[in-house]
Amino acid sequence: GIQVEQSPPDLILQEGANSTLRCNFSDSVNNLQWFHQNPWGQLINLFYIPSGTKQNGRLSATTVATERYSLLYISSSQTTDSGVYFCAVERKGSARQLTFGSGTQLTVLP
Amino acid sequence: DTAVSQTPKYLVTQMGNDKSIKCEQNLGHDTMYWYKQDSKKFLKIMFSYNNKELIINETVPNRFSPKSPDKAHLNLHINSLELGDSAVYFCASSPTGGTGELFFGEGSRLTVL
Repeated sequence: GIQVEQSPPDLILQEGANSTLRCNFSDSVNNLQWFHQNPWGQLINLFYIPSGTKQNGRLSATTVATERYSLLYISSSQTTDSGVYFCAVERKGSARQLTFGSGTQLTVLP
Repeated sequence: DTAVSQTPKYLVTQMGNDKSIKCEQNLGHDTMYWYKQDSKKFLKIMFSYNNKELIINETVPNRFSPKSPDKAHLNLHINSLELGDSAVYFCASSPTGGTGELFFGEGSRLTVL
């Protein structure tokens, strides 16, 4: 199956700092999504981004499908950004099945 | 209005018992899923149903049985619960056509004592 690697596994920031999270994947994909799992366990959709760049407020994401990676940028981080960020991909030719990376645990300190 | 809703949110039970988790989505999606999140937060697909038909069945013990009475509902029944079944179970849905973007429910935390 497809391999999804996220880095870094853990990240601690001071409020106001910027960060970049990375997702590498081992095969061509139809679908790539970024999720935020907040401290209460909810999985929140951030971006659907199989290719290109999208922005939503302080968050933006870029996927370079030909090079098999995606980046999630968080600017001016806030304590509410804390949680786990997951990248998930759907390999081309597979049934609608997302494979998740192991996540980046982000802690934003006040 | 919750798009994907699961009940119960918390479930504590004894080994050997049988339990069910219900899931409903009001997004009009054709495809529904069950994912399991273990204690290390790793998320793995268990089942996928498209319009009431099973399309993905990963290596899951046959004590786990999904049931889809209609395309808006996908329930998970677990028989003879074991300690290792303790986890958070997430229901999700996506459209069959189009982007296939996945939307998750809030999760059901199962604790087996």
